[in-house]
Amino acid sequence: AQKVTQAQTEISVVEKEDVTLDCVYETRDTTYYLFWYKQPPSGELVFLIRRNSFDEQNEISGRYSWNFQKSTSSFNFTITASQVVDSAVYFCALSDLEVSSSNTGKLIFGQGTTLQVKP
Amino acid sequence: EAGVAQSPRYKIIEKRQSVAFWCNPISGHATLYWYQQILGQGPKLLIQFQNNGVVDDSQLPKDRFSAERLKGVDSTLKIQPAKLEDSAVYLCASSKTGTGQPQHFGDGTRLSIL
Repeated sequence: AQKVTQAQTEISVVEKEDVTLDCVYETRDTTYYLFWYKQPPSGELVFLIRRNSFDEQNEISGRYSWNFQKSTSSFNFTITASQVVDSAVYFCALSDLEVSSSNTGKLIFGQGTTLQVKP
Repeated sequence: EAGVAQSPRYKIIEKRQSVAFWCNPISGHATLYWYQQILGQGPKLLIQFQNNGVVDDSQLPKDRFSAERLKGVDSTLKIQPAKLEDSAVYLCASSKTGTGQPQHFGDGTRLSIL
């Protein structure tokens, strides 16, 4: 069965600190997608990034970076120089890459990590 | 591009009453999802539509929950009768057709059962 684990329930940092959010996943599939979503207090889930299982190249986008390691089934997310506006709940999610009768491409979410950035 | 629209934003009802939520997906998105998010947890898929057909409703409590997407665009999710454990945020999402397409979410409906 597929499973996503975000072991960190809550993280609190002071503005300008770097912070890494951990994500570990389980799947029997050899091909899959991984996602990160941000949920600010307003409630809307905002898509941040998608990575497929073929591509282990790490990615940097502004203050955000992602470290995908297939060998350890991890897809960690780092915010550099955190800001108060980064305060939100962050979700890691997993989805099948190949749709079949048993795989519909639905997202399997982790429990989420609440990030609080203090001024 | 307009995002996913949901209404109402909040709803408070008593147990055993019925309630309905509405969702309008992003234009051109054939796939529509309803998720339930209980406080402190990640969203859990209730039902997935491809156009007006159901792709996955394996986790939908069919004795009390129903959903439809008659014309392949808007969708409604209904709960009848509501139970205390249905208190949650109900999120609607849509995506383009194809595996791995990012799902785009609405603001959700926060349901409280008294």
